[in-house]
Amino acid sequence: SQTIHQWPATLVQPVGSPLSLECTVEGTSNPNLYWYRQAAGRGLQLLFYSVGIGQISSEVPQNLSASRPQDRQFILSSKKLLLSDSGFYLCAWSGASHYGYTFGSGTRLTVV
Amino acid sequence: AQTVTQSQPEMSVQEAETVTLSCTYDTSENNYYLFWYKQPPSRQMILVIRQEAYKQQNATENRFSVNFQKAAKSFSLKISDSQLGDTAMYFCAFMSGYMEYGNKLVFGAGTILRVKS
Repeated sequence: SQTIHQWPATLVQPVGSPLSLECTVEGTSNPNLYWYRQAAGRGLQLLFYSVGIGQISSEVPQNLSASRPQDRQFILSSKKLLLSDSGFYLCAWSGASHYGYTFGSGTRLTVV
Repeated sequence: AQTVTQSQPEMSVQEAETVTLSCTYDTSENNYYLFWYKQPPSRQMILVIRQEAYKQQNATENRFSVNFQKAAKSFSLKISDSQLGDTAMYFCAFMSGYMEYGNKLVFGAGTILRVKS
């Protein structure tokens, strides 16, 4: 069966520090991969998605970047965090069909 | 661009009663899919139900059912026999059926549902 792992679960980082959040999928190949951000008590905003290795589409211009170095690995990065980067980050994957996403358990990021 | 609107920020319901959450969407496409996701306090996103736009029959999953009105672009979720474990934020979401959109899910702002004992 397919599983998705996302880490870390919680992160507190100072302003100006770098960021690396990792997401990996097991049990499937060539998944579509997604990074979403959820501000407190609000909806989900799509940040990046990838349909293949090295293929990254950015939905919102911002302080973040994404990479897909391997088929089932998706990384969200920042060189210098801002206070506004705080939030709950969710990774998700889907197949080529339209059955919706399976989400990771999320990372709560607090920038102080 | 597609948009999804959930007009009820918060709702509450008594245990064992029925509640309906509203969702409307805007698209010019004819081939698409609609979803309801649940996010309990753990914040894990859980798929509740899925509807294919080309199917007229409303989807059902146990106590959860939808009222899909394609012409009105409305997609409401009905929860019957509400249970305390249904307390969560519920998100309505839209996915284009065209592959060039990368299976992106567009989410509404969410409705917080509280089930009271």
